[in-house]
Amino acid sequence: DVKVTQSSRYLVKRTGEKVFLECVQDMDHENMFWYRQDPGLGLRLIYFSYDVKMKEKGDIPEGYSVSREKKERFSLILESASTNQTSMYLCASSSTSGTSFIEQFFGPGTRLTVL
Amino acid sequence: AQSVTQLGSHVSVSEGALVLLRCNYSSSVPPYLFWYVQYPNQGLQLLLKYTTGATLVKGINGFEAEFKKSETSFHLTKPSAHMSDAAEYFCAVSGVGTYKYIFGTGTRLKVLA
Repeated sequence: DVKVTQSSRYLVKRTGEKVFLECVQDMDHENMFWYRQDPGLGLRLIYFSYDVKMKEKGDIPEGYSVSREKKERFSLILESASTNQTSMYLCASSSTSGTSFIEQFFGPGTRLTVL
Repeated sequence: AQSVTQLGSHVSVSEGALVLLRCNYSSSVPPYLFWYVQYPNQGLQLLLKYTTGATLVKGINGFEAEFKKSETSFHLTKPSAHMSDAAEYFCAVSGVGTYKYIFGTGTRLKVLA
């Protein structure tokens, strides 16, 4: 079974704090993703990584950075948390099939509240 | 540019009734299409996917979807709703040569006893 785990299910932080969200996958997938999920907006891609130390901005990268030092681990960093970053954060991974990226496997999510 | 429209943010059906969740997409490349389900406080789980081949795709839990290129649609159906089907459902599109999924805004399904 593919497993994607996220370090916390629920997190409460204060405005201005530096926040780390960790994601680990155990299926040797090349690709990893961070999404943000908000009611009525669906899932929006924050960052994507297709290899160790490689990253690309998604649709809403502002206020976020990422780190991928090992293939199985992809971290999302909020340098200075703000209240508008209160959201559900979902990590996903997928394997590469030719030039296409097909099924993504999701972690359980981290619900972040910034006070 | 690719986009996905899910008609109806909330759908209610009676237990045993037909489930129909609508998804329309736009894509400039041959699409890959997906339906994911999210149960409360959980991540997303793949229900089914269309990549190539047969346009009627069967998934888990009795769900199926039909890819209709002429209508740019990929509607999700289940003949008989069960209480355990209550969840949020997301349609997504991707394509050859692109890593990105574009997700719809989701449809929350409520099943009435």
